[in-house]
Amino acid sequence: DTGVSQDPRHKITKRGQNVTFRCDPISEHNRLYWYRQTLGQGPEFLTYFQNEAQLEKSRLLSDRFSAERPKGSFSTLEIQRTEQGDSAMYLCASSPIAGPTYNEQFFGPGTRLTVL
Amino acid sequence: DAKTTQPNSMESNEEEPVHLPCNHSTISGTDYIHWYRQLPSQGPEYVIHGLTSNVNNRMASLAIAEDRKSSTLILHRATLRDAAVYYCIPRRYGGSQGNLIFGKGTKLSVKP
Repeated sequence: DTGVSQDPRHKITKRGQNVTFRCDPISEHNRLYWYRQTLGQGPEFLTYFQNEAQLEKSRLLSDRFSAERPKGSFSTLEIQRTEQGDSAMYLCASSPIAGPTYNEQFFGPGTRLTVL
Repeated sequence: DAKTTQPNSMESNEEEPVHLPCNHSTISGTDYIHWYRQLPSQGPEYVIHGLTSNVNNRMASLAIAEDRKSSTLILHRATLRDAAVYYCIPRRYGGSQGNLIFGKGTKLSVKP
């Protein structure tokens, strides 16, 4: 399967703990996006990378959140000192910068975070 | 960013056509109209996009009003697998760089 993969698929943690999620985009996709989705709502944009450069961050991305894409391939999203309000599905998407699908974003299955 | 209005939910019978409407009256002249759908327990997936002309692909058709203030996603023969939340998203011309702004979408139920 050559789609976007995310790990883990589910994470349960206690309030105050740190968590890290990983996203592996489709090979050769230069652009990578993180979104967050709470129950009954559409996904909300968090941040965007082109290669290793983080080009855009949402105001939703508080200082407890940090994202990296060190070699322009996989990306990690870390949440420090988790709060119950961080409970959500975290989605990763990737897209190429050229070609017939450059207008599309390809989403992974998401990581569901539950903060107790 | 253009705002969109979609029905919260719609129902269809299997093998019948479905027309999913979207109002985007504040759309700018260079915004493409994208549609994504999200099946239960999955990430969203791209369906179709267009600018002014009607568009067809293997998944669906997109009919865009002449004034571009509304569009309709058409599933020609709904299947049970088409049960999903459908999102209409205006997006800047050449907007592969930026994020997608999702609303609440339309939840489509398909009855056998």
